[in-house]
Amino acid sequence: GAGVSQTPSNKVTEKGKYVELRCDPISGHTALYWYRQSLGQGPEFLIYFQGTGAADDSGLPNDRFFAVRPEGSVSTLKIQRTERGDSAVYLCASSSRGGTVSEQFFGPGTRLTVL
Amino acid sequence: GNSVTQMEGPVTLSEEAFLTINCTYTATGYPSLFWYVQYPGEGLQLLLKATKADDKGSNKGFEATYRKETTSFHLEKGSVQVSDSAVYFCALGGSQGGSEKLVFGKGTKLTVNP
Repeated sequence: GAGVSQTPSNKVTEKGKYVELRCDPISGHTALYWYRQSLGQGPEFLIYFQGTGAADDSGLPNDRFFAVRPEGSVSTLKIQRTERGDSAVYLCASSSRGGTVSEQFFGPGTRLTVL
Repeated sequence: GNSVTQMEGPVTLSEEAFLTINCTYTATGYPSLFWYVQYPGEGLQLLLKATKADDKGSNKGFEATYRKETTSFHLEKGSVQVSDSAVYFCALGGSQGGSEKLVFGKGTKLTVNP
């Protein structure tokens, strides 16, 4: 079956602009995660959804970042007033029932470049 | 909070050499431990995991043992192949207030030469 998909694969924007990044999880997976990976670093947690609700948003760096999952499937990560420091690869992962013992399946990522 | 310290790379080996990538962690409670791999041009994939102390995770000839006394989860393979060239990430999950997030190390790039 299809894996986790993310669109766009690449996004170039200018400082101060608004961007939306989309994640389509594996069908039936109730848990969805967003991570951010800067060059030469491991992924850093941003937010975790169980169903439609954000169960843990402690990783969002500031109030410019927001994520939604209105129907418990597709999720959108929204970044307002982008800054050059937001440039990174944004990864989405999903798992069948949440919990770190359940394998998280990762998408290919969206590479965001803020000029 | 939880953290993972992973051996810095890059690591370059010849085919059939023995591989060790060190990983130590700091955590409260009883975390689960993981190794993820990222092959060139591909997304992160789970390589192996261990959910409690003394568990050994294994896959594709790789092994790692959850050592609570040394807070370590070192990755080993007896004989590497060119196809093992990738970036390897140690990760820790759970145990902190019910959060389901994974905490990753910085990654170790492995290159295996024929």
